[in-house]
Amino acid sequence: EVQLVDSGGGLVKPGEALRLSCAASGFSFSAYTMNWVRQAPGKGLEWVSSITVGSRYIYYADSVKGRFTISRDNAESSLYLQMSGLRAEDTAVYYCARARTALAGEWYFDVWGRGTLVTVSS
Amino acid sequence: DIQMTQSPSSLSASVGDRVTITCRASQTISMSLNWYRQQPGKAPNLLIYAASTLQSGVPSRFSGSGSGTDFTLTISSLQPEDFATFYCQQTYNKPLTFGGGTKVEIK
Repeated sequence: EVQLVDSGGGLVKPGEALRLSCAASGFSFSAYTMNWVRQAPGKGLEWVSSITVGSRYIYYADSVKGRFTISRDNAESSLYLQMSGLRAEDTAVYYCARARTALAGEWYFDVWGRGTLVTVSS
Repeated sequence: DIQMTQSPSSLSASVGDRVTITCRASQTISMSLNWYRQQPGKAPNLLIYAASTLQSGVPSRFSGSGSGTDFTLTISSLQPEDFATFYCQQTYNKPLTFGGGTKVEIK
């Protein structure tokens, strides 16, 4: 079964750091671009970051650039999000998601983890 | 950044109704438009990709159309599991952006 399991969320204080993990199974992890998407309580979806095959290209939303670092370990079939300088507005459920490309190269997110909640509060 | 505007933001409908949700991009995105359904407390689920391609395993009551800046998701016969929030997403340019969502409620 193709599966993504997000973990690592919790309650942290403003300014602190946290590392999220996403364990992949059931597919060849190294062959796919991977992503993080977040959702603040009661709000919509916000793309956070993407990392392509072999970590060749890495992208961030402006809201997290310079504070968050995405990485992957293909040997462990794992995706990570190192978050530092956390702010109250980073409070959200964080989802990892697998990206695929359509015939003309369009990306789409076809497999999602169940999400892990990050709460930033003093 | 490309802004994605969904309408309506919410709607009330009955089981069996035909429902249409629209998504407009602030600039052309060709066909780089995806639709997701998010049931309460769950992760989003891909319905349509590349504007009009039905994801494998998704019921045929869902269909997508459009290109350029204007896109539509149609549910031909609303089912109980479709009382959820629907999001469009553009993947034409970084940053990838989502619409604000359309919440479908029971009438």
